Amino acid sequence: EIVLTQSPGTLSLSPGERATLSCRASQSVSSTYLAWYQQRPGQAPRLLIYGASSRATGIPDRFSGSGSGTDFTLTISRLEPEDFAVYYCQQFGSSPRTFGQGTKVEIK
Amino acid sequence: QLQLQESGPGLVKPSETLSLICSVSGGSISSSSDYWGWIRQPPGKGLEWIGSMYYSGTTYYNPSLKSRVTISIDTSKNQFSLNLSSVTAADTAIYYCARRYTGRPFDYWGQGTQVTVSS
Repeated sequence: EIVLTQSPGTLSLSPGERATLSCRASQSVSSTYLAWYQQRPGQAPRLLIYGASSRATGIPDRFSGSGSGTDFTLTISRLEPEDFAVYYCQQFGSSPRTFGQGTKVEIK
Repeated sequence: QLQLQESGPGLVKPSETLSLICSVSGGSISSSSDYWGWIRQPPGKGLEWIGSMYYSGTTYYNPSLKSRVTISIDTSKNQFSLNLSSVTAADTAIYYCARRYTGRPFDYWGQGTQVTVSS
């Protein structure tokens, strides 16, 4: 099983600041099968990034993804109020499909 | 616009079987490009993939749950379902159904349904 470790656990930032979230895999993951989701309180997860770096439909360009192999990054260039949420990475290239434990981006 | 909606009992007794249905609208569950899956989230915790199914009937289960899980599809009703047997309190969670296009991650999700295991 591929374990995804996200860091930091919590990121305290102000609106307008840049957020950098990390996802490290226990073994190599094809970029094709690495995704990022956003989950706001009381809501289902929303797909942000697929293929490690492609934005899903309707996702603002302040969200970007990068990385390869075992190290992946989600960057939010300038935080908007609606961006304060929990973010999960997921690999779906091998079974079982696994998620990271999440990074909470909170208002400082 | 594809929409998914979970339904089922909110309370299940220990040792019994949890049964949920996901109703799909705005698209066909028989699409050859799509996989249909279940994901759960225990209170205050992260996401766990339970399993997925292709319209043809091919299933993929999380090994940690495989002995207790069955996912099936009803193309006539445009629905798919989850059965999880011998439940315990550890199975208390929000259960989500979702769609995955071939080669892509889950992009359409239901709103989720809370299931509590308690006597």
